[in-house]
Amino acid sequence: DIQMTQSPSSLSASVGDRVTITCRASQAISNYLAWYQQIPGKVPKLLIYAASTLQSGVPSRFSGSGSGTDFTLTITSLQPEDVATYYCQKYNSAPYSFGQGTKLEI
Amino acid sequence: EVQLVESGGGLVQPGGSLRLSCKASGFTFSSYNMKWVRQAPGEGLKWLSFISGRGSTINYADSVRGRFTISRDNAKNSLYLQMNSLRADDTAVYYCARANGRIDFWGQGTLVTVSS
Repeated sequence: DIQMTQSPSSLSASVGDRVTITCRASQAISNYLAWYQQIPGKVPKLLIYAASTLQSGVPSRFSGSGSGTDFTLTITSLQPEDVATYYCQKYNSAPYSFGQGTKLEI
Repeated sequence: EVQLVESGGGLVQPGGSLRLSCKASGFTFSSYNMKWVRQAPGEGLKWLSFISGRGSTINYADSVRGRFTISRDNAKNSLYLQMNSLRADDTAVYYCARANGRIDFWGQGTLVTVSS
């Protein structure tokens, strides 16, 4: 099975910073990669799909890139409401594994 | 408005069974694949099971294969997860999710606690 590994597991940044989170697949998954945001106590929310397509309604400070095995979620100009745990997930085929999550603090 | 409402969670003893339901509204249920995802307390998201729109394709995570059964009733706009032989490490919030490839809508979740 393909494993999804995120890094870092946690990070602390300041308001206005540029933040990058990485997700690596153990085998190529083309661009079948989604990013989710889970604010504490809330349901996960889709941010990015197809590795780089912004979900409707998501602020443009969020962006995604990558293909194959290496993917990146970038938040430009970090805002206080971005405090959350971020997860990547592959969806090309089962098992539809998630990364272990990246906890972002300010 | 798309809505997914889970029910059926609760406290169950180890070895027991529970059936979760997810009632969908606001979209053509039969046109969408569906997934169950869970989250243990303080832990990350874990995919459990997938079912295609017509129910013809079903997948399970290794950790629940043989114990959990996913099903759907398109006439009732409902998704189900039959959980048998429950263990303490099955304790989690269980989410029903609409799978348009990626998961684009999540239910609010239902808590399952396995404890004696």
